[in-house]
Order: sequence, then structure tokens, then C-alpha cells
Amino acid sequence: DVKVTQSSRYLVKRTGEKVFLECVQDMDHENMFWYRQDPGLGLRLIYFSYDVKMKEKGDIPEGYSVSREKKERFSLILESASTNQTSMYLCASSPPPLMVSGNTIYFGEGSWLTVV
Amino acid sequence: AQKVTQAQTEISVVEKEDVTLDCVYETRDTTYYLFWYKQPPSGELVFLIRRNSFDEQNEISGRYSWNFQKSTSSFNFTITASQVVDSAVYFCALSDFTGANSKLTFGKGITLSVRP
Repeated sequence: DVKVTQSSRYLVKRTGEKVFLECVQDMDHENMFWYRQDPGLGLRLIYFSYDVKMKEKGDIPEGYSVSREKKERFSLILESASTNQTSMYLCASSPPPLMVSGNTIYFGEGSWLTVV
Repeated sequence: AQKVTQAQTEISVVEKEDVTLDCVYETRDTTYYLFWYKQPPSGELVFLIRRNSFDEQNEISGRYSWNFQKSTSSFNFTITASQVVDSAVYFCALSDFTGANSKLTFGKGITLSVRP
């Protein structure tokens, strides 16, 4: 089974802190994603990466950055956390391309971040 | 731009009732992929089904069935004889067709509560 592991399930950080959310996948997938989930807004794509050291902005990249130094690891960074970044963050991975039968996107369990 | 609309936000049914979750999508791509995911209270998104735009056959898997209608841009999900374990948030998603860089656009989700 594909396993996407997010290092922290629950975090509480202070405004202005630098926050790292770590994600590791064990299936050698090229593509990795960070989504943010908020009530009434569904999942919104923050950033994605289709190769090591490659990244693309999603729909809501402001206030975030990412790092992908190794294929299996994709980190989301909040340079200076703010209260409006309190949310659930979901990491995902997939083998490209989605057009290949059977390919889908696999998700981790999510990280609940509270910024106070 | 791609868009997924899940007009229903919350649905409550009594166990053994049938329930249909609606999904309407917008895309300019001629080839695209549609997905349904289930998010139980634990938080992890569980893949349920993937449908290719060029395959309009409906699908049944146990108590679950999916009705894909290209003419109305809809991909509805029906649970027959619902059970308490079906209580979850259900997301419909659409992928763009950018080859290796495929990513998902999600609807806002439908919270389904099944009462005993």
C-alpha cells in the first residue's frame, strides 16, 4: 500500500514563528502536493512538485514556500505564521501522469495547525 | 479554469436509506478525469473511484454506484442502503490534462451523516 506520512498530526505555533510541515512518501512517486482544507472551502492547492527541486505554485501560494531536496520528501514552510493560516494541511503524492489507468493521488492523514 | 461544484453541503439520512451526492464540473479540456474521495473523521482522504472522460459507462461497487453524464457535466455518487460507517465528508475532484503535472481541483465537499 502507498503510504504518505505527515510528521506532525497536531501543532500549535505562535504568530511570527517559522513552521515546517514535513511529508514523506514511500512509493517513489514523482509528484507531490500540499493542500489546505478549511470548512466550507474544500481543499485548495498551495504548491506542488513534479520532480526533485522543482515546484509550481497552486491556487493559494501566498505566505507559503516549499522544499523538495529528495524525491520522497516534500516540506511546506510558513515563513512567518499568521492566525489566518490556522487550518488542516494535507500532503499527497501520485505517480505521473494521471492519464495512466489506475493512477490516482494518495493523501496523508493531515496536519492540524493552530496559530495563536 | 476548472471548477467542481458540490451544491449540497450537508445531508442527513437514516440508516438503510439511499442517498445521492451530486457533483457538477466545468472544464475546457476534452480529456479529463473525475474522482471521488471519502474523508472519515480520522482525516485521511480515501480514494473511491476514478472515471475517464472518454468512458461513460456507469460503475457499481457493492453499495456504491456512480453516474457519469457528460451531457450535463455531472458525476453523481449514490450509496444504497446507507450505513453509519458511511458518515464522512465526500469530495468530488477533477484533474486537468497536463500530462506529468496533473493535479486535482476539488469541490467543497458534502458532509454525510447516517443516523442509526
